[in-house]
Amino acid sequence: GAVVSQHPSRVICKSGTSVKIECRSLDFQATTMFWYRQFPKQSLMLMATSNEGSKATYEQGVEKDKFLINHASLTLSTLTVTSAHPEDSSFYICSARFGRDNSPLHFGNGTRLTVT
Amino acid sequence: EDQVTQSPEALRLQEGESSSLNCSYTVSGLRGLFWYRQDPGKGPEFLFTLYSAGEEKEKERLKATLTKKESFLHITAPKPEDSATYLCAVRVLMDSSYKLIFGSGTRLLVRP
Repeated sequence: GAVVSQHPSRVICKSGTSVKIECRSLDFQATTMFWYRQFPKQSLMLMATSNEGSKATYEQGVEKDKFLINHASLTLSTLTVTSAHPEDSSFYICSARFGRDNSPLHFGNGTRLTVT
Repeated sequence: EDQVTQSPEALRLQEGESSSLNCSYTVSGLRGLFWYRQDPGKGPEFLFTLYSAGEEKEKERLKATLTKKESFLHITAPKPEDSATYLCAVRVLMDSSYKLIFGSGTRLLVRP
């Protein structure tokens, strides 16, 4: 079946630096990709929705200039956390939808970001 | 406000001890309810989709059911490998696009 690959799985960076996370759909072209953030023992919170070739749609409260999303092709979306701060430390997960709106989302394995 | 609540927050079972996880929802227009399994440090893995009240889906020891207000994930004779966090999510139409709203999950531990 469809597979979503996310890289890196873990990253540690210093405060003030930027980090890029990649999300690739390996078997199918993803019509839409989603980026989520998850704090320990909490639910997944949608950050933004991206469609190939167009600007991402951000959820309320998510800073567009801080979390840059690029969806240059139907198989690759990237999330860049700019000028990272310790409070940005979290588990970031991407997901992809293949096909119609009511298709289930397939998730990557997440990226554990630690900002020191 | 659209809301998804899962209970219990955590559940400990002995191997073979059947039980049920609950997902109750309050949404303006349900366009599907999804169950996922999440292992520590991993992304969620899709289990089931339910669309209408009365619908049931089964996969090995798991069975998901749906009513107009809630969904249950029944686990029959669980094994230690069933230990994971189980997430439910409802798909709703918001701001002209479909989005998933997740519950906070039930952490299941099955002891041998």
